[in-house]
Amino acid sequence: SQTIHQWPATLVQPVGSPLSLECTVEGTSNPNLYWYRQAAGRGLQLLFYSVGIGQISSEVPQNLSASRPQDRQFILSSKKLLLSDSGFYLCAWTYRETTGELFFGEGSRLTVL
Amino acid sequence: GDSVTQMEGPVTLSEEAFLTINCTYTATGYPSLFWYVQYPGEGLQLLLKATKADDKGSNKGFEATYRKETTSFHLEKGSVQVSDSAVYFCALHMDSNYQLIWGAGTKLIIKP
Repeated sequence: SQTIHQWPATLVQPVGSPLSLECTVEGTSNPNLYWYRQAAGRGLQLLFYSVGIGQISSEVPQNLSASRPQDRQFILSSKKLLLSDSGFYLCAWTYRETTGELFFGEGSRLTVL
Repeated sequence: GDSVTQMEGPVTLSEEAFLTINCTYTATGYPSLFWYVQYPGEGLQLLLKATKADDKGSNKGFEATYRKETTSFHLEKGSVQVSDSAVYFCALHMDSNYQLIWGAGTKLIIKP
């Protein structure tokens, strides 16, 4: 069966520090991968999606970046965090041919102080 | 552009009450429609879906019917439980896109 893991689950970072969130998918090949952010009490904001290794599409211009170094690995990064980067970050994947049905990870809660 | 509108929450009900969460959409083509649920502190999970007009999606006692004439996909459950307390998201997907269009989410609170 397919599983998705993201880590760390919780982190508290000072303003200006770097960020790295990792997500891996197991049990499938060539998935589409997504990073979403959910601010407190708000809806979902798509940050990045990827349809293959090294292929990243950015939906929102900001100080975050994403990379896909391996087929089932998706990384969200920042060189310098802002207070506004606080939120709940969700990684998700879909089968290449059924992109409407997403499978989400457990989420990573980031607090920037 | 395509969009999804959900009723604002929170929606507060007593246990065993009937639930309706409204969802309407605007789309230029024929989307697939989804309801996702997010329990506190967790990621989202697919609750149910419908891929064409008049389809009814159902799961865990929840139902939603794809109504093309009213461009709606309202979520219903006949008797809610405390464990149904969560945030519910309505979403649509067009085959030509890699991403879903999401509603803002509706928080549901069930009191014992």
